[in-house]
Amino acid sequence: DQQVKQNSPSLSVQEGRISILNCDYTNSMFDYFLWYKKYPAEGPTFLISISSIKDKNEDGRFTVFLNKSAKHLSLHIVPSQPGDSAVYFCAAKAGYNTDKLIFGTGTRLQVFP
Amino acid sequence: NAGVMQNPRHLVRRRGQEARLRCSPMKGHSHVYWYRQLPEEGLKFMVYLQKENIIDESGMPKERFSAEFPKEGPSILRIQQVVRGDSAAYFCASSLDSNYGYTFGSGTRLTVV
Repeated sequence: DQQVKQNSPSLSVQEGRISILNCDYTNSMFDYFLWYKKYPAEGPTFLISISSIKDKNEDGRFTVFLNKSAKHLSLHIVPSQPGDSAVYFCAAKAGYNTDKLIFGTGTRLQVFP
Repeated sequence: NAGVMQNPRHLVRRRGQEARLRCSPMKGHSHVYWYRQLPEEGLKFMVYLQKENIIDESGMPKERFSAEFPKEGPSILRIQQVVRGDSAAYFCASSLDSNYGYTFGSGTRLTVV
């Protein structure tokens, strides 16, 4: 039962252009969403998050959009840089005091010159 | 990932042996989480511990797996009588409390031969 889905296993984008990574979820109880970035042989690093009371959160080159009615969120990276090449995981939690995160399967982003 | 220390980074065990994975949380963090990542999959929650207490072990396999976080020393994830299907990357994360985001360690890659 995959409650958080990242249907694109990989994405290739040219440097300077926009990268859009997508994530869908099925559990309507999820109210907080996070994006993590992971390099090979390292642990995930927190990137950006969004609460369900918002539809957009921005931090520098990274913006997350949330569409609750569609149970869909996306991460926009603009402009994309070669150092952004990594695996990006979408994660969700249900409730402010909930301990566990439910992760998607990840999207491998490659930014080429 | 600075601050959450996991060791060993790589662990090779023969089928039937025991694997012990260690996690030292960031200084001041009293909440520890263990996640497992199987090849080509996202991270799956295993267990959430506070000092000397297991808070949520809903993701732990019923047999062979156990976790502890003693008053002194690191958190330990123990896998008895390992099988090939236990081969995975095991990530530990810590937080100040359950309302804050995690910081992940770099993981332990377990290979069962």
